[in-house]
Formats: sequence, C-alpha cells, structure tokens
Amino acid sequence: DAGITQSPRHKVTETGTPVTLRCHQTENHRYMYWYRQDPGHGLRLIHYSYGVKDTDKGEVSDGYSVSRSKTEDFLLTLESATSSQTSVYFCAISGLQDEQYFGPGTRLTVT
Amino acid sequence: QQQVKQSPQSLIVQKGGISIINCAYENTAFDYFPWYQQFPGKGPALLIAIRPDVSEKKEGRFTISFNKSAKQFSLHIMDSQPGDSATYFCAASPLAAGNNRKLIWGLGTSLAVNP
Repeated sequence: DAGITQSPRHKVTETGTPVTLRCHQTENHRYMYWYRQDPGHGLRLIHYSYGVKDTDKGEVSDGYSVSRSKTEDFLLTLESATSSQTSVYFCAISGLQDEQYFGPGTRLTVT
Repeated sequence: QQQVKQSPQSLIVQKGGISIINCAYENTAFDYFPWYQQFPGKGPALLIAIRPDVSEKKEGRFTISFNKSAKQFSLHIMDSQPGDSATYFCAASPLAAGNNRKLIWGLGTSLAVNP
C-alpha cells in the first residue's frame, strides 16, 4: 500500500460521539486525500491537503474536519458522528506525479 | 451530477475472454484518465492511466483506449483470468493549480471471471 497506514482499521461508535481517523505515510508525498466509499456512490472526496496546515474541502465535506500538522499525518475528524457517516474511509497520497496511492481503509460503523 | 459515467455496472466473462469496461466524461478540461482495481477489503490500486495525447496505452493484458472526440475511454482486459475478478473504477481529472489532481470517479464495475 505504498507506505500508507490507516488507523484504526475498524471502528464501531455511537451516534453523537466524535471520531478521529488517522492516515500516516512514509513516502514524504505532498498531497493527501480522504475519501469515503459507499455502495452506489463510488469514491467521494471529503477533504484534501496540499501541504502542512494547508487543506481544502472536497465534494462531501459537511460534518467532517481535517488537520495536517506534519507531512506524514493527515487526520479526519467526525465532530459528531451520524449513521449516514457509516462508510469505508480511504486515505490516498500523491507526489509530484499524478498517481494517487490508497491506504487499506477504515471501516466505520455508527450505531 | 455524475461527471464520469461508467458501464456496465457488473460484468461476467469466461476465462480467456476479453473484458471491456467503458467510461464517458463531460468536462473537456480533463487531461488524466486512470483506471483502478479494487479487491474486497482492500484499497483501490492504480492499474493503468492515459493522457489525451495518445489513443491507446497497453500494459501487459490491460489496454486503455481513448477517444477524445467522443469523450470516452475504455479498459480492455485480454485473456481474462479468475484472479482479475475485482471491482474496476475509472476516473478523470483536470490539472489544477500546484499540480494537484482531484479525481472524479465512475461508480465502478464488478467483474467476475468464471474459470
């Protein structure tokens, strides 16, 4: 998985609780992305980062925030988890080239 | 609004046959067209990609055909094998500022290759 780890790999949480997912890369790539994958919707971009402390919204950013304090770490936070945020979350990275490389994913269930 | 339309949604092919997956896009600013392969429980993995300055790119048994005027591109898997059974996604993106690429994804094609 191109030096990308995601933690946790699985999480079950209750509605209304905050949740933070972590993406860690060892490739020193500039760009990092958070996607969610849902049946019938494919992959949708939540937020992305183009450098330390530089982030921007994707197409489904409502209810999510991100932070990037170090090149290697990109955190995704669900401020108050809802059942609609039950999904598989993928982190991706890219460098100077166009290719995006994906992590193994985090399966999140909000009950 | 789905900017990249992928078809078919699912595909069954016999071993040794040719698998063909098609994608159509709308935005003429798109200049990068990758295909990803995803196995259950794994993240998508880049398979092959093409730019609009060529009409075809081949890597092993995988070929992308690109038709700029029709705004369509397709993935051909020759001599399909059971190990190719996976979900395939096409994507497209324009080149944004700072060389960043925000991919627009198709909804995926579930391919099953029967032995």
